[in-house]
Amino acid sequence: GQNIDQPTEMTATEGAIVQINCTYQTSGFNGLFWYQQHAGEAPTFLSYNVLDGLEEKGRFSSFLSRSKGYSYLLLKELQMKDSASYLCAVMDSNYQLIWGAGTKLIIKP
Amino acid sequence: EPEVTQTPSHQVTQMGQEVILRCVPISNHLYFYWYRQILGQKVEFLVSFYNNEISEKSEIFDDQFSVERPDGSNFTLKIRSTKLEDSAMYFCASRPTGPGELFFGEGSRLTVL
Repeated sequence: GQNIDQPTEMTATEGAIVQINCTYQTSGFNGLFWYQQHAGEAPTFLSYNVLDGLEEKGRFSSFLSRSKGYSYLLLKELQMKDSASYLCAVMDSNYQLIWGAGTKLIIKP
Repeated sequence: EPEVTQTPSHQVTQMGQEVILRCVPISNHLYFYWYRQILGQKVEFLVSFYNNEISEKSEIFDDQFSVERPDGSNFTLKIRSTKLEDSAMYFCASRPTGPGELFFGEGSRLTVL
């Protein structure tokens, strides 16, 4: 079966760095996505990795290792507004997105 | 910047009634999706649509649900005989050809009483 695993909840301090991990097992691979979702709102796109390595975009970076079925999202200089759920999703061989359950990130002052 | 738009933003309906949720995908996109998210739960795939027909559907997408692209721009999700457990946020998304980012609408919150 297809499976995406990520921690349910994480807590971090304002100004710090946090790494959210995601492991996956899917039928084929056409890229891995990270989305941010605030409560009651639509997911918003953060990053897309299709090749191994690190993609940096401002305070956010995303890493992919296809051989390990592993990705992480790194958030630096955390701000209170970063409190949200972070969704890992993999596009499979049929171009369908397989979603993880999301990691709720709580930022404390 | 082009965006996916959804209407209504919130609909309240009585159990057993029919509901139509509307979406206008980004104009040059070819693949359209409906997702559902029950409060506090994960995003669930319902159906994907390409070339004016359903390309894939999940177990959730049973005979109670249907999709249409009635006029080349709108993409609708019809839910017949709504049940309490249909209460959720329904998200429409679209993407151009090939792998890449899905662009989401703001969602339609359905409340079934």
